[in-house]
Order: sequence, then C-alpha cells, then structure tokens
Amino acid sequence: GDSVTQMEGPVTLSEEAFLTINCTYTATGYPSLFWYVQYPGEGLQLLLKATKADDKGSNKGFEATYRKETTSFHLEKGSVQVSDSAVYFCALIIGSKLTFGTGTRLQVTL
Amino acid sequence: DAEITQSPRHKITETGRQVTLACHQTWNHNNMFWYRQDLGHGLRLIHYSYGVHDTNKGEVSDGYSVSRSNTEDLPLTLESAASSQTSVYFCASSARAGEVDIQYFGAGTRLSVL
Repeated sequence: GDSVTQMEGPVTLSEEAFLTINCTYTATGYPSLFWYVQYPGEGLQLLLKATKADDKGSNKGFEATYRKETTSFHLEKGSVQVSDSAVYFCALIIGSKLTFGTGTRLQVTL
Repeated sequence: DAEITQSPRHKITETGRQVTLACHQTWNHNNMFWYRQDLGHGLRLIHYSYGVHDTNKGEVSDGYSVSRSNTEDLPLTLESAASSQTSVYFCASSARAGEVDIQYFGAGTRLSVL
C-alpha cells in the first residue's frame, strides 16, 4: 500500500537556522504531495503542495520539491523563527485519500 | 467565513458508553473524513463519505460508525467506548483545487476513555 516516511523528531533549532525535514514516499500510482503543519491545540493546515514531478511548492518561506527519481519531498526553510514551532506532516494523495507520515515536531529556540 | 467545526473539543467518558462526536462544515463539500491522531502513527483514516447517504470504512474503522444525512454533517459514533479509543479525533472536508483534492481540518476533539 501507499506509505510516507518522515524523519523522527523532535528537531530543535536556534532561530535563523536552516531547516530540513526529510520525507520519502511509496505509492502504487502517481500521487500529489503535501506538507501540513499543526500548531499546538489546532487542526492541520495545508502548508504547501506539489502535483507533479519537479514541481516546487512554497509558502511562508518553506519550500519542497517533488523528486520522482528519489521518491522524496523534503521540506526546507532558510531561516526558521520561533513561530515556526509546530508539528509538520508529510502526506500523499491518490484520488481523494490522504496518507500521512507520523509527523516531525520542530522546536525553535531564541 | 465558511469553516469546519468539531464538538465537543474535549470529552471524558467511561468504558462501554456510546459517544458521538460532531463535525459540521459550511463549505458545502461533498467529501468528509474522520481521522484519529496517535503518537507514532500520524493520522489514520477511520471513515469517510463522498456524499449524502454514502459512507465508507477506512483503515481503523472497527468500533466506529458514521452516518451522512445531509451535506454539512458527519457525526462519528463510538458504539461502546474502549480505552484504546482514547485519542485526538479530526474531521476534514475536501474540495477540488485544480488537479488535486485539498482537505481542510477541524480543530479536533480530544477524547479520553476511562
């Protein structure tokens, strides 16, 4: 079946540090890929998406590129802020069914 | 603004009791979903619906049921609550955005079964 694997957390960074959260996937079809973010006490919010190979999704300084050859969709940000502290979920969709990774908690300190 | 709301936000119940979690969306989306979130598992799909009177089982549907009598609501019922059903539950609805369906999530219901 379809699956998403993302790096274990928690990830702890100082403010202004560079962020990478790795995500790889296995899919029987040709998925679209997402990153969702969950702030404390809230539901998931779509952060960015990519629908085909080599697409780059971007939002709020975060970026991820759909790499079909390595089945990856790594999340990056050049300079994190304390307000980026949250749990980040990588996900794929085929049709209307989302499959999530287990989530990576990011903690950014001053 | 259109939105998706879940109630209650927190619930404590006893083993064996029937519990219903509400989900209401005002976007007029046909597709609605229920997930549970547990540490180490991410979100797992419980049930989903593609429209009125349509319901389908997800990967962890045992002990849960849903009904869809209108477009706006998809209540989730735990027939006889078990401690293993202590979790955070999220409802979502989806709409097409170009080539892909986008799911929009409620704020969640934290359920404790004692």
